[in-house]
Amino acid sequence: EVKLQQSGDELVRPGASVKMSCKASGYTFTDYAMHWVKQSPGQGLEWIGTIIPLIDTTSYNQKFKGKATLTADKSSNTAYMELSRLTSEDSAVYYCARLEYTTDCFDYWGQGVMVTVSS
Amino acid sequence: DILINQSPASLTVSAGEKVTMSCKSSQSLLYSENNQDYLAWYQQKPGQFPKLLIYGASNRHTGVPDRFTGSGSGTDFTLTISSVQAEDLADYYCEQTYSYPYTFGAGTKLELK
Repeated sequence: EVKLQQSGDELVRPGASVKMSCKASGYTFTDYAMHWVKQSPGQGLEWIGTIIPLIDTTSYNQKFKGKATLTADKSSNTAYMELSRLTSEDSAVYYCARLEYTTDCFDYWGQGVMVTVSS
Repeated sequence: DILINQSPASLTVSAGEKVTMSCKSSQSLLYSENNQDYLAWYQQKPGQFPKLLIYGASNRHTGVPDRFTGSGSGTDFTLTISSVQAEDLADYYCEQTYSYPYTFGAGTKLELK
């Protein structure tokens, strides 16, 4: 069974950074790209970027360059996203999602990490 | 960036009714080399993560009930629910994966009377 297990919710101070994880199981981690999506409170979905774990290649939405950093650890089948210089605009739920190459869609999603930026 | 215009923003229907929602792209999502449209539909129920319904504009994902149908090609797409059930209460999003940055529509909220 494919599963993407994300780390727990975070409460962080403005200006700080946060690093969240997405542990994959039930499939070969290096066979699929991992994508990250932001959902602000009561809002829609925004694509942040992607990492191809096999070759450690990343692509980012220009809007999130300098804000998000994507990495992956092949030894633990885990993808990470670090968000830096946090502001209230970064308060949101962040999802990881696996891209299925033949259909080019997100067939499995993590449960989401709620990040709250507050002093 | 490819802009996705999704409409209507909300729909209020009775159980058993037929529902259609629209997704229009600012440029064609049809890749000529494989004749595939790079458009997917997702369902997001309150407090849950999005779930894939339709990929390639018209292909139902595994386990999706056949009352959900995707249609369209190029720039105009439609999601139809033939007979809405109470469990279909959710937000529906379309997404293009034709080119980076991937973009989503603003969503259609389906509410039941």
